[in-house]
Amino acid sequence: SQKIEQNSEALNIQEGKTATLTCNYTNYSPAYLQWYRQDPGRGPVFLLLIRENEKEKRKERLKVTFDTTLKQSLFHITASQPADSATYLCALNRSGGYNKLIFGAGTRLAVHP
Amino acid sequence: EAEVAQSPRYKITEKSQAVAFWCDPISGHATLYWYRQILGQGPELLVQFQDESVVDDSQLPKDRFSAERLKGVDSTLKIQPAELGDSAMYLCASSLRVSENQETQYFGPGTRLLVL
Repeated sequence: SQKIEQNSEALNIQEGKTATLTCNYTNYSPAYLQWYRQDPGRGPVFLLLIRENEKEKRKERLKVTFDTTLKQSLFHITASQPADSATYLCALNRSGGYNKLIFGAGTRLAVHP
Repeated sequence: EAEVAQSPRYKITEKSQAVAFWCDPISGHATLYWYRQILGQGPELLVQFQDESVVDDSQLPKDRFSAERLKGVDSTLKIQPAELGDSAMYLCASSLRVSENQETQYFGPGTRLLVL
């Protein structure tokens, strides 16, 4: 069956360091992958989209990689700040139609001063 | 900046009662989604509309859940009767249209439902 895995344990890092979050998937061939940020009690907020023919995408301090051979995406936040503390969700488009997303459970990031 | 509006933000109800959630998408967005998010999990799609038509409700428990988007703008999600297991965050999202380069989904703040 189709499955998305994100680290269920929280990631704790020191301010200024690079945070790296992992998204692994099985039994998929997604056309694209998205990363969202979700704060407690709020709806997810879109951050980045990367397509299957792209290896890397950057936006300010954020970087996403997409390895379709490994079936893995890595999400990096450089020079992390306490304000980056949140849950980060990986989402893949699923078969059966465009714009149909399936989400991972998310990884909670805590950046400590 | 335009936002997706949802109401109410919080709802407490007793099991077997009926509840309804409302969503107003970003103006001009043809595609509207309802998701359910259980604590500690990612959002799960319940129903997707393109304008006023349902394009995917395969994960909607149709014996108790219903959704409509009569004029292709705002939408209502109803649960009748509510069960304890329905306690979750109900999220509405919208996107411009179902096409390449329009994949970004914009989420509302959600409605937190607690069924007692």
